[in-house]
Formats: sequence, structure tokens, C-alpha cells
Amino acid sequence: EVQLVESGGGLVQPGGSLRLSCVASGFTFSSYSMNWVRQAPGKGLEWVSYISSSGSIIYYADSVKGRFTISRDNAKNALYLQMNSLRAEDTAVYYCARVGYCSSTSCVDYWGQGTLVTVSS
Amino acid sequence: DIVMTQTPLSSPVTLGQPASISCRSSQSLVHSDGNTYLSWLHQRPGQPPRLLIYKISNRFSGVPDRFSGSGAGTDFTLKISRVEAEDVGVYYCMQATQFPLYTFGQGTKLEIK
Repeated sequence: EVQLVESGGGLVQPGGSLRLSCVASGFTFSSYSMNWVRQAPGKGLEWVSYISSSGSIIYYADSVKGRFTISRDNAKNALYLQMNSLRAEDTAVYYCARVGYCSSTSCVDYWGQGTLVTVSS
Repeated sequence: DIVMTQTPLSSPVTLGQPASISCRSSQSLVHSDGNTYLSWLHQRPGQPPRLLIYKISNRFSGVPDRFSGSGAGTDFTLKISRVEAEDVGVYYCMQATQFPLYTFGQGTKLEIK
């Protein structure tokens, strides 16, 4: 069974930093690309960042570019999101989501339970 | 970025009756590889999103056949043939054609009358 478990969320002051983790199980983590997607309270979904299976290809949404860093440790089956210079508008539940294979093409197929990040003084 | 627009934003339905949600993209979702990367997600209250449909009309593993997807180009529809209590929540369309710039619709809240 595919499982993605996020952790590391919490309350942080504006300008502060936080590091999120997502531990994967039930599949060969090193074979799959991953995403971070966030959801502000009561709002819709916003893609944040993507990392390829090897970690060699990385993309960011403009809203977080230069402040957030995605990384992974395939030996630990773990995905990370280092968030610096946090702003109030970064307040959201952060989900890790797997890029799987649906009928031989890619699809975002499994999502973790999410971890809440609150940026407030 | 591709903008995804869903209608309606709220849909009260009676148990056992059909429901339909529309999603329109600001530009064609046909990828250069010929595929159309339009998915539908379902999010129950307090839960993460769950994949229902991928590439317009393909049901993901374990998704009941009362869910179906259709459409082409810029206009897409999710239909539930007979709504059950467990179907409540918010439904999102999502495009992956403009990878990595995934974008989502605003969400449609399905509730029971």
C-alpha cells in the first residue's frame, strides 16, 4: 500500500524557516518523481514544487522561487521542503504527492495526509 | 499559466440522483504527445485529495464505475451516475499538460440536499 506521511509543520513567525518532510513507503521511492502541493485554509490547491526521481530536475512555482528548496534522500525514502523567508500567505496544508504511471503516462496518483504550516506573529 | 474554471461551485444533490461538474481550461489541454492530461480529484472534509479520473476518462484504481469523465480540448465533465453519501466533498479538475505548472480548478462542493 502506497503511504506518504508528512511532518514538520507548525507555527512560525514571518521571515522564519521550516523544513517539511515526507516519508514514503509501499513503493520504490527512488523510481518516482514527487511534488509538493499546498492548500490555504478553506481554499483550493496550488502546486509548489517538483523533483524528479533522481533529484536532478527541479521546478518551483513563481510564488516560492528563491525561498523554498525541494530535495530528496532516496536512501531514506524521504522528500523534503526547506521553506525560508516565510510569509503569511504561505500558511497552508502542505501535501506531498507522487507522480505515478497511469496507462503508461504520468499522473499525480497518491497524496499524503498533509502537514499544516501557519505563518503568524 | 493555464486557468481552470469549474462550474458550478456548489452542487446540492439528492441521494441516488446524478450529478455533473464542468471544467473549462483557458487553452487546449492536448499535449504535443497527443494525450490530454486532465484529471479529476475528490477531497472529503479533513482528508487529502484522491485521484478519481486521469486523462479525461480513465478511472483510477478502486474508483467506482458510477464516476465517469468526458470531454476534449478545453471542455471537460465529471459525472456521477447515482450520488452516494460518501461522494460528498469537493471535486477538483487538474491539468498536467503544462507540466510542471500543474493548475487546478477552484473546486466544486458536492453536498446532499
